[in-house]
Amino acid sequence: SQKIEQNSEALNIQEGKTATLTCNYTNYSPAYLQWYRQDPGRGPVFLLLIRENEKEKRKERLKVTFDTTLKQSLFHITASQPADSATYLCAPATDSWGKLQFGAGTQVVVTP
Amino acid sequence: EPEVTQTPSHQVTQMGQEVILRCVPISNHLYFYWYRQILGQKVEFLVSFYNNEISEKSEIFDDQFSVERPDGSNFTLKIRSTKLEDSAMYFCASSPGTGTDYGYTFGSGTRLTVV
Repeated sequence: SQKIEQNSEALNIQEGKTATLTCNYTNYSPAYLQWYRQDPGRGPVFLLLIRENEKEKRKERLKVTFDTTLKQSLFHITASQPADSATYLCAPATDSWGKLQFGAGTQVVVTP
Repeated sequence: EPEVTQTPSHQVTQMGQEVILRCVPISNHLYFYWYRQILGQKVEFLVSFYNNEISEKSEIFDDQFSVERPDGSNFTLKIRSTKLEDSAMYFCASSPGTGTDYGYTFGSGTRLTVV
């Protein structure tokens, strides 16, 4: 069955450093992958979308890579700030109809 | 910035009762979704809706669930006979196009508690 794995342990990082989060998937080949941020008790907020033919995407301090050979996406937050503290969800998808499947997420805690 | 609006924010209902969760998607969006998140667990897909019909649904979305777009602005999720295990946060989302090109805008959710 299709499986999405994200680091379950919280990532504690000092302000100003780069946070790197991993999303691994097995038993399928997503055509695209989206990353979201979720704060406690709130809905996910869309951050970035990357397609299978794209190696890297950037948006301000965020960068995402997509390696279809390794079946992995990496999500980077550079120059991290305490306001970046949240849970980050990856959501690979194989079809265009909206069945995003979310990983369990990785919590990021940025300390001053 | 446009928002997806969900009402109510909290709903407590007795087991076996029917509930209707309401959503107002962003006005020019064409694709609509319901997801749920049981406390401490991952966000799970329920159903996607396009052109006034269901385009895909998950195994969770059984005969107890239904969706409707009764007018040009509202999108509802009905659970006919609630069970204890239906207790979760329910999120509505919308997008202007498919997920290959657009991210989804999620609402703040309705916390459903079945007692």
